[in-house]
Amino acid sequence: DVKVTQSSRYLVKRTGEKVFLECVQDMDHENMFWYRQDPGLGLRLIYFSYDVKMKEKGDIPEGYSVSREKKERFSLILESASTNQTSMYLCASVRDNQETQYFGPGTRLLVL
Amino acid sequence: QKEVEQNSGPLSVPEGAIASLNCTYSDRVSQSFFWYRQYSGKSPELIMSIYSNGDKEDGRFTAQLNKASQYVSLLIRDSQPSDSATYLCAVKGGGSYIPTFGRGTSLIVHP
Repeated sequence: DVKVTQSSRYLVKRTGEKVFLECVQDMDHENMFWYRQDPGLGLRLIYFSYDVKMKEKGDIPEGYSVSREKKERFSLILESASTNQTSMYLCASVRDNQETQYFGPGTRLLVL
Repeated sequence: QKEVEQNSGPLSVPEGAIASLNCTYSDRVSQSFFWYRQYSGKSPELIMSIYSNGDKEDGRFTAQLNKASQYVSLLIRDSQPSDSATYLCAVKGGGSYIPTFGRGTSLIVHP
């Protein structure tokens, strides 16, 4: 079974803090994604990566950056957290020639 | 702009009934179609994928695809209270590994 893990299930941070969310997958998938999910807005793509050190902006990259130094790990960074970044953050991965995205358990982030 | 539309619901059905969830999409060249189930506070999990016109059955679930009408549906037979969740439709074009998600339909199965 594919396993995608995220570093925290719940996180509380203060406005202005730098926040790191980590995602690890164990199936040698090339492609990894970060989404946020908010009530009524659905899943919105923040960034994705199709290879080590490669990244592409998704639909809502503002206020976020990412890092992919190893194939199995994809990090989302909130440079200076703001209250409007309070959300559920979901990581996903997929192999290049496979069709299905596999999601991690999610991190619920609260920014005070 | 690729769009995937779902009725937000909630769709309420009695236990044992058939639940019918619908999804329309705008990109005519879409080739891969997925249904995810998401329980409250949890992440989406894949329950069905379909690639060809027609029906695909897996246990109590049937996915139906009509590319000419740009329509995909999910039928859940013998609905159970444990099926109560939000169901997300996702659509991908050929050669793309980035799906477009609908906003989901909330399903409530009441005893």
